[in-house]
Amino acid sequence: QVQLVQSGAEVKKPGASVKVSCKASGYTFTSYDINWVRQATGQGLEWMGWMNPNSGNTGYAQKFQGRVTMTRNTSISTAYMELSSLRSEDTAVYYCARKEFSGAFDIWGQGTMVTVSS
Amino acid sequence: SYELTQPPSVSVSPGQTARITCSGDALPKQYAYWYQQKPGQAPVLVIYKDSERPSGIPERFSGSSSGTTVTLTISGVQAEDEADYYCQSADSSGTAWVFGGGTKLTVL
Repeated sequence: QVQLVQSGAEVKKPGASVKVSCKASGYTFTSYDINWVRQATGQGLEWMGWMNPNSGNTGYAQKFQGRVTMTRNTSISTAYMELSSLRSEDTAVYYCARKEFSGAFDIWGQGTMVTVSS
Repeated sequence: SYELTQPPSVSVSPGQTARITCSGDALPKQYAYWYQQKPGQAPVLVIYKDSERPSGIPERFSGSSSGTTVTLTISGVQAEDEADYYCQSADSSGTAWVFGGGTKLTVL
């Protein structure tokens, strides 16, 4: 079945970086953009950016420009999101989501909890 | 930056109709999408392109659009529909996605 499986929970210190992976299966990885969305505990969804797995082109939300990098490894159908200069406010669940042709985020990963704490 | 505005909460009794609105200046030009999220789970798409329903989503979920407001309607609400609902759309340039703040639907 079509699914996105993300890497496990991470605990990082302030100032460090975190890299979350998102492995696609059940469909052609390079045919659909991957988007990243985060959610702090008890808060709403926040869009971070997108990546085209075929070209590697990316687009980032202004808030994360300069701190986020989205990449991919097409040989293993995996997308990555790396966030640097972590601060406590980055503590959140990070989701990857497939954007299908209508624009909808139709398939979501299970989420990766990232905790930033000294 | 662009914002989508939703009411923080909506409450209805089982069997009644719930309506959740989402307002944004670019909605006349950009499609809206709706997601349902239950505690501890990833969001699930329930409406796309303003009013289309994905396969597997019950017919009681519908969407509509009028000017700068889109509405998610749940007819004959069931206890299992209790969840947070988020609208999503693009800004006027179509280069950035935005989510509304979310609406907690309580089934009394």
